[in-house]
Amino acid sequence: RKEVEQDPGPFNVPEGATVAFNCTYSNSASQSFFWYRQDCRKEPKLLMSVYSSGNEDGRFTAQLNRASQYISLLIRDSKLSDSATYLCVVKGESTDSWGKLQFGAGTQVVVTP
Amino acid sequence: NAGVTQTPKFRILKIGQSMTLQCTQDMNHNYMYWYRQDPGMGLKLIYYSVGAGITDKGEVPNGYNVSRSTTEDFPLRLELAAPSQTSVYFCASSYWLPRSTDTQYFGPGTRLTVL
Repeated sequence: RKEVEQDPGPFNVPEGATVAFNCTYSNSASQSFFWYRQDCRKEPKLLMSVYSSGNEDGRFTAQLNRASQYISLLIRDSKLSDSATYLCVVKGESTDSWGKLQFGAGTQVVVTP
Repeated sequence: NAGVTQTPKFRILKIGQSMTLQCTQDMNHNYMYWYRQDPGMGLKLIYYSVGAGITDKGEVPNGYNVSRSTTEDFPLRLELAAPSQTSVYFCASSYWLPRSTDTQYFGPGTRLTVL
């Protein structure tokens, strides 16, 4: 079983619509969670960290469900520029300790005009 | 700042050849990493370094070697290239402190094909 699993998609979303997708993780001791964005044939870039109480960054909302071991990302008012692959990233340790990141394979989002 | 730079961008190797992938960061980051990304798979950590002179294995170190003689540079060496090493290689760096987000900044990648 993969440590971090994502629906590969693609999620085809009309411009202006809302899209949401999840990521599940297998290590119940995981402490830190992130969403990275990766454009086609480019390097990953941090989109946002995911906090226990959930958090927003503009049109992006991230949620964490520890009981069911998944995190989610919701994109409101989708823009063409949101088309990318979104990588779910999990770290076993808290921010007090350094730890290796575990990457999911990514969820592809395609925003159409 | 250039951030994390990698060379070359593309390379085709024959089976059994060797090469070094170069990685340099100018952000004075203490941690550096090498990942490979295969189609449909998440990034896999090959090697990492917590500072100059210190390196350690990640999940998939076989067939690779690294060194970290300076804070800025973290080259990845492939000895005896095999088709299974065909992949996209990303170098990354971060400045880790306790209770920091430890954002990893990635280079643009090297696309390697072994034939």
